[in-house]
Amino acid sequence: DGGITQSPKYLFRKEGQNVTLSCEQNLNHDAMYWYRQDPGQGLRLIYYSQIVNDFQKGDIAEGYSVSREKKESFPLTVTSAQKNPTAFYLCASSIAEFANTGELFFGEGSRLTVL
Amino acid sequence: GNSVTQMEGPVTLSEEAFLTINCTYTATGYPSLFWYVQYPGEGLQLLLKATKADDKGSNKGFEATYRKETTSFHLEKGSVQVSDSAVYFCALTRGAGNKLTFGGGTRVLVKP
Repeated sequence: DGGITQSPKYLFRKEGQNVTLSCEQNLNHDAMYWYRQDPGQGLRLIYYSQIVNDFQKGDIAEGYSVSREKKESFPLTVTSAQKNPTAFYLCASSIAEFANTGELFFGEGSRLTVL
Repeated sequence: GNSVTQMEGPVTLSEEAFLTINCTYTATGYPSLFWYVQYPGEGLQLLLKATKADDKGSNKGFEATYRKETTSFHLEKGSVQVSDSAVYFCALTRGAGNKLTFGGGTRVLVKP
């Protein structure tokens, strides 16, 4: 079945460590996104990519990095520079021009806890 | 910039009650408006949408009408079920860039 797979589902990290969250899609979508979800704050865009080998910062990119070497994959690295990394991270994808459909396809999320 | 404001939850209802979740937005021009739903332990999925003023989006018994004059897109359902317990997000997109702006989400709990 087509969809988006995020891993790991749960992750614990010590302060000062970098961690990489995986996101893979087999929907043949050009665009991919990373959102952060905090209680009561909804979803905030971290990074997005509309095409392979290109990506743009979202609203809260500081302390995060991404790569888009393959169409199917859009990994997110949470670096030690991120001041408050404990959160629920959601990856999504869409067709290239989605302004009219508005349909993002989401993975099930990765919950990162910094100890 | 664009923004979306939703009523704060949680909203607790009994089964078969009427549900309304308020959503208002700020955006230039004519954004497209959406409601997404997040069931427990899952990612978000699109529930309904409206792309121009006075359009009504509907799906699974839920409805929302794009009101340009009040910049609102309130979600309604006439008779909720326990299975409607979820977090509901209002969102908009405007212009190029394929970016959605989300509201803070409203948690709904339906009790039998």
